[in-house]
Amino acid sequence: GAGVSQSPSNKVTEKGKDVELRCDPISGHTALYWYRQSLGQGLEFLIYFQGNSAPDKSGLPSDRFSAERTGGSVSTLTIQRTQQEDSAVYLCASSPGTGHGTQYFGPGTRLLVL
Amino acid sequence: KQEVTQIPAALSVPEGENLVLNCSFTDSAIYNLQWFRQDPGKGLTSLLLIQSSQREQTSGRLNASLDKSSGRSTLYIAASQPGDSATYLCAGQPRGDSGYALNFGKGTSLLVTP
Repeated sequence: GAGVSQSPSNKVTEKGKDVELRCDPISGHTALYWYRQSLGQGLEFLIYFQGNSAPDKSGLPSDRFSAERTGGSVSTLTIQRTQQEDSAVYLCASSPGTGHGTQYFGPGTRLLVL
Repeated sequence: KQEVTQIPAALSVPEGENLVLNCSFTDSAIYNLQWFRQDPGKGLTSLLLIQSSQREQTSGRLNASLDKSSGRSTLYIAASQPGDSATYLCAGQPRGDSGYALNFGKGTSLLVTP
């Protein structure tokens, strides 16, 4: 079966522009996560969805970052007024059930803000 | 927030050697401990998941152990091969209702030379 997919795979944007990143989780997985991997920073948690609700948004670095999930499936992460420090790889993961289990990761979206 | 540390940061071994990668975490109240592999420019591949009630998991040439009392996990790779070259990440998933985000170490970069 299909794994987690993300689009676009690469995105180059100018400082100040808005960007939208998309994640398609594994079919039937109710839990969905967004992480960010910056050079030298390791992987940081951004937000967690259970179904369409986000019980944990504690990792979003600023109010320029938002995310939504519709139909218990596709999720979009939006970054408004991008800054150079937003440059990173944005990874999405999904897992079945309540969230305590193996997380399956997508290939990521590489974002470069010029 | 739980801190996860991986030692060494980088490791180079000749093909055929057995090796151990180390992971330590500050909070023993974890729900599970997961080991991932990341190839350059790729997403994360889950290798092994150890539930908090377990002490080890095995898959092929890989064996991961978990000692909650000491806050340590090790990943043992037997008879290493050049194809094992990658970055290996460990991540702890905390207990509680505050979320299910994985706390990642910064990884061990492994190079297996022919």
